[in-house]
Amino acid sequence: EAQVTQNPRYLITVTGKKLTVTCSQNMNHEYMSWYRQDPGLGLRQIYYSMNVEVTDKGDVPEGYKVSRKEKRNFPLILESPSPNQTSLYFCASSQSPAEQYFGPGTRLTVT
Amino acid sequence: AQSVTQPDIHITVSEGASLELRCNYSYGATPYLFWYVQSPGQGLQLLLKYFSGDTLVQGIKGFEAEFKRSQSSFNLRKPSVHWSDAAEYFCAVGAGNQFYFGTGTSLTVIP
Repeated sequence: EAQVTQNPRYLITVTGKKLTVTCSQNMNHEYMSWYRQDPGLGLRQIYYSMNVEVTDKGDVPEGYKVSRKEKRNFPLILESPSPNQTSLYFCASSQSPAEQYFGPGTRLTVT
Repeated sequence: AQSVTQPDIHITVSEGASLELRCNYSYGATPYLFWYVQSPGQGLQLLLKYFSGDTLVQGIKGFEAEFKRSQSSFNLRKPSVHWSDAAEYFCAVGAGNQFYFGTGTSLTVIP
C-alpha cells in the first residue's frame, strides 16, 4: 500500500530537549516536504527536498533542520524545541512538486 | 509574495444544498492549484487538482472546481452536500518548488 508514515504520532517534550520526527514514504517519490498546521494559519511549509541531499527552506524554517540521506526518508529535527513549536506536523511526498500525499500527522507539544 | 486566501473561515449548509468554497491566490504565473479535505484528526486528502487545460476540473466525492485566471480564483463546488462532507477544506497553490496553503474553511452540514 502506498503511504507516508510518520513517527511518533504524538509527542510531549520539554523546552530544549532535542527531538526527531521521522518520515518515510514507499512510493519512490523524489519530492518530500514538511509542514506545520496551526489554528487559523493553515499549513505552512517548513522545508522541502527535491531529491537525496537536496533540501531547501520553506516559509517557516527557523528552529528546524532536515536531512535527506535516502530517498525514502526525510526526518525533521528540532535541536532545541521551544513552546512556539507546539503544533501539528505533516510530512508529504510526491513525484514532482505537484500532487502531494500526506502522512497522518504528528502532534507535538513543547512545555 | 505568493499567497492563498480563503475568505470564509466557516460555512454552514443544509444537507442536500449546494456548496461553493472560495479560493483566491496571488502568483505571477499560472500555478498548480489544489483542493484538499481534512476530516477531524485526519491527514489531508486530495480532492482535485488543476495543472493546465480545461478550467473546470472534476474531483472525488462529487466535487468540482473552476479555475478563473482573470479573477485569480479556484473555487470549489458541489451540487448536493452530504453530511459526510463536514470537514475542513484547504486550497493550495504550487509555485515553483514550494507550496502555499490557505487558512482553511470549516464546513458544517446540518440535517
